[in-house]
Amino acid sequence: DAKTTQPPSMDCAEGRAANLPCNHSTISGNEYVYWYRQIHSQGPQYIIHGLKNNETNEMASLIITEDRKSSTLILPHATLRDTAVYYCIVRSPMNTGFQKLVFGTGTRLLVSP
Amino acid sequence: DVKVTQSSRYLVKRTGEKVFLECVQDMDHENMFWYRQDPGLGLRLIYFSYDVKMKEKGDIPEGYSVSREKKERFSLILESASTNQTSMYLCAIENALNTEAFFGQGTRLTVV
Repeated sequence: DAKTTQPPSMDCAEGRAANLPCNHSTISGNEYVYWYRQIHSQGPQYIIHGLKNNETNEMASLIITEDRKSSTLILPHATLRDTAVYYCIVRSPMNTGFQKLVFGTGTRLLVSP
Repeated sequence: DVKVTQSSRYLVKRTGEKVFLECVQDMDHENMFWYRQDPGLGLRLIYFSYDVKMKEKGDIPEGYSVSREKKERFSLILESASTNQTSMYLCAIENALNTEAFFGQGTRLTVV
């Protein structure tokens, strides 16, 4: 699986958009980008994933650059409850063989009042 | 609601004891994972399983073994607990399509 690079920490004001970047310059053509987050003292929680098109769900939006070498997770109106560690993961689809789910160290997002 | 249940939230064991951490799911998912999480090191994959009786080593399997006799249950075994195995242990499940993983609440194990 391709490696990812994320900033160790970011700050965001409550109510503003939080834009979390992820670099994955060695991503392969069939690898997906996944995002998870981990709120303190809880297990990680799935947020969103995508291949090349931008994706949106009730939690967030995922913007993947055209060359797929980087992506941004957008929380449109951050709340204090969004304070967490956010993990960007690149992974091949299942039809290429079983894929481990491996986490890096993520970005610690602090949302302040 | 997805349920991934880990047998204990907090556990204290003595050095040299055999320790069993149990994970039970109610989603009929094929893939199950065990991680440990330590400050500054993030989540590290210990073992995973993609089917009953199938198991694969993750990135840090030393000192651990696993058992999956039934689809819904994945056990992590510390044959002889050591103080460096003090950690938060997290179980996760995932369907065969790798769409999203669900995690348990974790077991904080202290080995004294």
